[in-house]
Amino acid sequence: EDQVTQSPEALRLQEGESSSLNCSYTVSGLRGLFWYRQDPGKGPEFLFTLYSAGEEKEKERLKATLTKKESFLHITAPKPEDSATYLCAAFSGNQFYFGTGTSLTVIP
Amino acid sequence: ETGVTQTPRHLVMGMTNKKSLKCEQHLGHNAMYWYKQSAKKPLELMFVYNFKEQTENNSVPSRFSPECPNSSHLFLHLHTLQPEDSALYLCASSQDIQGSGNTIYFGEGSWLTVV
Repeated sequence: EDQVTQSPEALRLQEGESSSLNCSYTVSGLRGLFWYRQDPGKGPEFLFTLYSAGEEKEKERLKATLTKKESFLHITAPKPEDSATYLCAAFSGNQFYFGTGTSLTVIP
Repeated sequence: ETGVTQTPRHLVMGMTNKKSLKCEQHLGHNAMYWYKQSAKKPLELMFVYNFKEQTENNSVPSRFSPECPNSSHLFLHLHTLQPEDSALYLCASSQDIQGSGNTIYFGEGSWLTVV
């Protein structure tokens, strides 16, 4: 069954405490792995797309990596404004398979 | 400012009411989507339109009725909803539904409460 699993479900970090979020996928023929950020009460905001194993992309304190089975979103020295839910989605065939997200809270 | 605009942002309706959600995209995309987001669940794809033609209907109850008059506008007509339909309804668009560079861009969502 095609699916995407994100872990942990929730993560609390002290400001400056680096960590990683995991996105495991079991889809055939991955055509793209997407990361989104969602603030409470708002729609998901696009962050990154990764297409092949070994690819990495960075944006400010965020870096996304991809292997053949999973993707990681590394957060370096997070700030309170990084608090949000982070969603990943695998694109296979003509469908997006979304995970349930990781809710990140960064404490000052 | 998002390229996908949804109205209204919040809607409370009774089970016998009829209302509509509206979505407009300013990105020149050809594909538009309706997703439902409920707490602790993955986004649920409801409908897909590509070049104004409906290409997918994921077993959505008939009390939800989509309309796509052109590639920039998408509506979701609601009637005789149930309390379990309360959720965040997200509109999204992408260049088209084919190809690997197919990023979906979401609107801010419409919070629906059915009482």
